[in-house]
Amino acid sequence: AQRVTQPEKLLSVFKGAPVELKCNYSYSGSPELFWYVQYSRQRLQLLLRHISRESIKGFTADLNKGETSFHLKKPFAQEEDSAMYYCALTSSNFGNEKLTFGTGTRLTIIP
Amino acid sequence: ETGVTQSPTHLIKTRGQQVTLRCSSQSGHNTVSWYQQALGQGPQFIFQYYREEENGRGNFPPRFSGLQFPNYSSELNVNALELDDSALYLCASSFRMANVLTFGAGSRLTVL
Repeated sequence: AQRVTQPEKLLSVFKGAPVELKCNYSYSGSPELFWYVQYSRQRLQLLLRHISRESIKGFTADLNKGETSFHLKKPFAQEEDSAMYYCALTSSNFGNEKLTFGTGTRLTIIP
Repeated sequence: ETGVTQSPTHLIKTRGQQVTLRCSSQSGHNTVSWYQQALGQGPQFIFQYYREEENGRGNFPPRFSGLQFPNYSSELNVNALELDDSALYLCASSFRMANVLTFGAGSRLTVL
């Protein structure tokens, strides 16, 4: 069974400080990992996916298969980063849009 | 380009009733997925439709059913509503093989 664990329900960080949102997963095959974000009064939207290897809004995430982790990081937090963040995984077999989500971490940036 | 639209945005039903939720896909997308998000939880996969057929199902009973229409819009039907069905129901569309979902704003269902 596939599972995504986000150990922190709430995380508060001062503006300008580094941010790390943790995500661990269990999956028997080869997973594709994502971070989705939901800003206040907005829809759930894709932030980044590991195969893209991009930095979006200053955020990066590295897939660590040995530790089965996909932590989200940003070196300097900004107030507009306050949001709900969900880590999710699916099979790397394209065409399978079944995502398994974690329970989410609410990030609050303190001015 | 239009996004994913869902209707209704809110509704209240009583236990035992039936409900139909609707979703219009983003232009150019041919796959629709439905998710249930209970309070304080992440979205949970219900099922996915492609070419008007169910193409993957999560751990939900048969009283959760769906349809996809030729224009790629979709319906989620829930029969014999239970109190635990109270949740936000999210529709997401995608282009098959892309593995990236575009979500709607959701339909919030309250079962009394």
